[in-house]
Amino acid sequence: DSGVTQTPKHLITATGQRVTLRCSPRSGDLSVYWYQQSLDQGLQFLIQYYNGEERAKGNILERFSAQQFPDLHSELNLSSLELGDSALYFCASSANLDETGGNTEAFFGQGTRLTVV
Amino acid sequence: DQQVKQNSPSLSVQEGRISILNCDYTNSMFDYFLWYKKYPAEGPTFLISISSIKDKNEDGRFTVFLNKSAKHLSLHIVPSQPGDSAVYFCAASAGYGQNFVFGPGTRLSVLP
Repeated sequence: DSGVTQTPKHLITATGQRVTLRCSPRSGDLSVYWYQQSLDQGLQFLIQYYNGEERAKGNILERFSAQQFPDLHSELNLSSLELGDSALYFCASSANLDETGGNTEAFFGQGTRLTVV
Repeated sequence: DQQVKQNSPSLSVQEGRISILNCDYTNSMFDYFLWYKKYPAEGPTFLISISSIKDKNEDGRFTVFLNKSAKHLSLHIVPSQPGDSAVYFCAASAGYGQNFVFGPGTRLSVLP
């Protein structure tokens, strides 16, 4: 158990709909990352939040948005869903980072499998 | 443009032998490298990491080697076990607190 919790595990929805994926990071971790994995492809970085602020943006569509709340949990909102959005969505978290502490590994949740029909 | 490359989509190794998984990167700003293992329908699991100030890091059966001049790293698994059969992802980040860029993965099959 990585300590990162994602809900729901599975989600089936129709094209054009909007869904929200939720992530609770490991206790004490301030950084949250969202990744998309389509059809056994690699992990595509979507977006990163650090202590409530957007830190980095990757290949995230304009139809997608995310936020990190004061309690550090994060939500990924996907709207106007298309068939091609069907994928595994992973959340990861890593520890508080500062210049003295250096970088640390990220721990992943089990993912949410989204199927758009 | 892929910044992290794993040119071997798959690798088969006999149980007990060494598995060597390779990874190349193009971004010279990367200074922290990680390997993750992933089973189907599960999230990636962190295996081992290495900072750019080192050229080797070892953890049990897993050793990661970094060649900065060649922008190449490799993961050695010795001895390989059937339970090691999974997809292995190489990842890199540039600077503290930065996001992780993943390679496309290599599927390792360890044959009994």
